[in-house]
Amino acid sequence: GQNIDQPTEMTATEGAIVQINCTYQTSGFNGLFWYQQHAGEAPTFLSYNVLDGLEEKGRFSSFLSRSKGYSYLLLKELQMKDSASYLCAVMDSNYQLIWGAGTKLIIKP
Amino acid sequence: NAGVTQTPKFRILKIGQSMTLQCTQDMNHNYMYWYRQDPGMGLKLIYYSVGAGITDKGEVPNGYNVSRSTTEDFPLRLELAAPSQTSVYFCASSPGEHPTGELFFGEGSRLTVL
Repeated sequence: GQNIDQPTEMTATEGAIVQINCTYQTSGFNGLFWYQQHAGEAPTFLSYNVLDGLEEKGRFSSFLSRSKGYSYLLLKELQMKDSASYLCAVMDSNYQLIWGAGTKLIIKP
Repeated sequence: NAGVTQTPKFRILKIGQSMTLQCTQDMNHNYMYWYRQDPGMGLKLIYYSVGAGITDKGEVPNGYNVSRSTTEDFPLRLELAAPSQTSVYFCASSPGEHPTGELFFGEGSRLTVL
């Protein structure tokens, strides 16, 4: 079966750095995606990796290792508004997105 | 810029009732999707469409139907509502001629079946 694993919840301090991990086992691979979802709102697209390595976008970076079936989302200079759930999703060989359950990130002052 | 618009935002149904969740996008996207989101679980694909007149089942289609008569509209029909259909439903669209993982979501519709 297809599976995406990410921690259920993480806590970090305002101004710090946090890394959210995602491991996957899917039928084929056509890219890995990270979304942010604030409570009671819709997911919004953050980043996309299809090749191994690091993609940087301002305070957010995403890393991919296809051989290890592993990705992480790195958030720097944490702000209170970063409190949200972060969803990892992989596009499989049928070009369908398989979603993880999400990691709830709690930021403390 | 309306993007993806879903209605209603909230609805309570009795077991056995039927209803339609409306979804409209104004971005001329070919691909449209319906997902449900349950606590502690990843988004599950119900149905999707690659263009007007073309729809296909996702992972959890039972109890639902869709149609895509225009590029803009992709309504989701629930027939004979059951408590298991209590969930938050998201409509989404994506641009391009091929599927991408960059989806634009509507605000969601919270459905409770009692």
